Amino acid sequence: DAKTTQPTSMDCAEGRAANLPCNHSTISGNEYVYWYRQIHSQGPQYIIHGLKNNETNEMASLIITEDRKSSTLILPHATLRDTAVYYCIVRVPNTGTASKLTFGTGTRLQVTL
Amino acid sequence: DAGITQSPRYKITETGRQVTLMCHQTWSHSYMFWYRQDLGHGLRLIYYSAAADITDKGEVPDGYVVSRSKTENFPLTLESATRSQTSVYFCASRGNRGTGELFFGEGSRLTVL
Repeated sequence: DAKTTQPTSMDCAEGRAANLPCNHSTISGNEYVYWYRQIHSQGPQYIIHGLKNNETNEMASLIITEDRKSSTLILPHATLRDTAVYYCIVRVPNTGTASKLTFGTGTRLQVTL
Repeated sequence: DAGITQSPRYKITETGRQVTLMCHQTWSHSYMFWYRQDLGHGLRLIYYSAAADITDKGEVPDGYVVSRSKTENFPLTLESATRSQTSVYFCASRGNRGTGELFFGEGSRLTVL
């Protein structure tokens, strides 16, 4: 799996967009970008994933650069409940040992009033 | 309720004792995973299973044993618990849609005295 780099922490004002960056410069052509988050004391929660096109769902948007070496998770209107650690992972889905999902230390997002 | 459940949620034991953490999922997902989470290490994969009776080691398997006699259950056993195994343990299963997202349980907090 490609290695990812994320900022250790970020702050965002409630109601504003939270933009969480992730660098994955060694990503290979068949690796997807996945985002998860973990709210304090809870299990990680799947947010969104993508290959090369931008993706949007009810939780967030995922913007992947054209060269695929970086991506940004966007929470359009952050709320206090979005305070969590956000993990960016790149991997090939559903293939052999790549089925193991390795998490790094993520970005701690603090949403404030 | 459908989903993935872990038990017990909290457990205190003594060094040398055997402990089993249970994981049950109702989706008939093929893949299941056990992770541990410690401060400063993110989530680390202990063992995973691709199907009933198929298991394989992850990043930190030493001191743990798993089995998968039924698709829906994936117990994790610490045969002789050590203090270094004090941690929060998360079970996960992977969706069958082919897009690779994981669904996590709420965690089991284990303290070894």
